Amino acid sequence: AQSVSQHNHHVILSEAASLELGCNYSYGGTVNLFWYVQYPGQHLQLLLKYFSGDPLVKGIKGFEAEFIKSKFSFNLRKPSVQWSDTAEYFCAVNTVGGGFKTIFGAGTRLFVKA
Amino acid sequence: DTAVSQTPKYLVTQMGNDKSIKCEQNLGHDTMYWYKQDSKKFLKIMFSYNNKELIINETVPNRFSPKSPDKAHLNLHINSLELGDSAVYFCASSLGRVAQRDYGYTFGSGTRLTVV
Repeated sequence: AQSVSQHNHHVILSEAASLELGCNYSYGGTVNLFWYVQYPGQHLQLLLKYFSGDPLVKGIKGFEAEFIKSKFSFNLRKPSVQWSDTAEYFCAVNTVGGGFKTIFGAGTRLFVKA
Repeated sequence: DTAVSQTPKYLVTQMGNDKSIKCEQNLGHDTMYWYKQDSKKFLKIMFSYNNKELIINETVPNRFSPKSPDKAHLNLHINSLELGDSAVYFCASSLGRVAQRDYGYTFGSGTRLTVV
């Protein structure tokens, strides 16, 4: 069965630090990949998505992610975090041929110290 | 104008009761979903409808029954509520699959269900 692993459950950074959140998935076929963000008390919002082509994807709020097919990874990055980036981040995978189901990782809680 | 709206936002009820959560989207999307988010923030899909047709039905107790009167609405009815049903339930919608691309979901604001 397909699965999504997010390595870090909790990350604490100071403002202006660089961020990288890991995400690995298990599926050998074609995938659509996503990162979502959930601010405290709010719903999930789509940060960025990857279908095909350039493996470096840019999203909203200065976030980007890199798809490395050989590593089955889709890590999220931001060069300089802000206090307002404090949130829960979810990696998600939709497998082409796996129907309409999107599998979410367990989430990484990011806390940015002002 | 809210794209995916859920009601109610909060629901506190006693064990054994029956309750419903409503969801409506005005995005013209074909596919709608119900996800359950537990206390550890883990998101698990429950159901999905595409143009009123049930396409995903995960291992969910049959006390949970989705209903889609039209493609803009997907409601969730829960019978005989149990303590373990306490969670946040999110409705979402998407374009579905277009040329092997899933464009991602638009989520509602969630319904926090507390069973006491």
